[in-house]
Amino acid sequence: NAGVTQTPKFRILKIGQSMTLQCTQDMNHNYMYWYRQDPGMGLKLIYYSVGAGITDKGEVPNGYNVSRSTTEDFPLRLELAAPSQTSVYFCASSYSDMGAQHFGDGTRLSIL
Amino acid sequence: DQQVKQNSPSLSVQEGRISILNCDYTNSMFDYFLWYKKYPAEGPTFLISISSIKDKNEDGRFTVFLNKSAKHLSLHIVPSQPGDSAVYFCAARETGANNLFFGTGTRLTVIP
Repeated sequence: NAGVTQTPKFRILKIGQSMTLQCTQDMNHNYMYWYRQDPGMGLKLIYYSVGAGITDKGEVPNGYNVSRSTTEDFPLRLELAAPSQTSVYFCASSYSDMGAQHFGDGTRLSIL
Repeated sequence: DQQVKQNSPSLSVQEGRISILNCDYTNSMFDYFLWYKKYPAEGPTFLISISSIKDKNEDGRFTVFLNKSAKHLSLHIVPSQPGDSAVYFCAARETGANNLFFGTGTRLTVIP
């Protein structure tokens, strides 16, 4: 049972490059989320989606974009990478807005 | 502005004893609280939750207590086991909101 799968696990980017962090879930969850975790800090919500075709901003959306064309996939795009985006990124999903969120293992991203 | 605070970065406990992890929050609109456990290089895993209509919720060795007047919750683990060694995050949300606010985590070490 895969749950929430994130790829890649690690990535180093140069300033100004772009990339897409992939997230897919096989639990048929409607709700999906992207968080970032900076060293010594809690997770902060970047974007979330309540279903295919519907996305909304979280607490720290600047510098990121998302799309949700299917129930399973929720990719996160960085257009112009900046050092401040160096972080660990977690994708999560839940059955409902009050359900416990299931997390992937994270993508560690460094921007140099 | 940290709305959920875990003031103890670390805690060490002997195997078999009780572990008590604490969490404070500032937003009186929070009405649902969760604890997550995180091992290195993995995503957070849901442990236990509590609604604001309750003051206690129990699941096996894990009990969460909520004191709404003090805006404080705690997680009790009895008895503690070496496999409980991990980082524990407290999280909180308002009903109807999709943003889950996380604390900065407490690293629990259970000494055999």
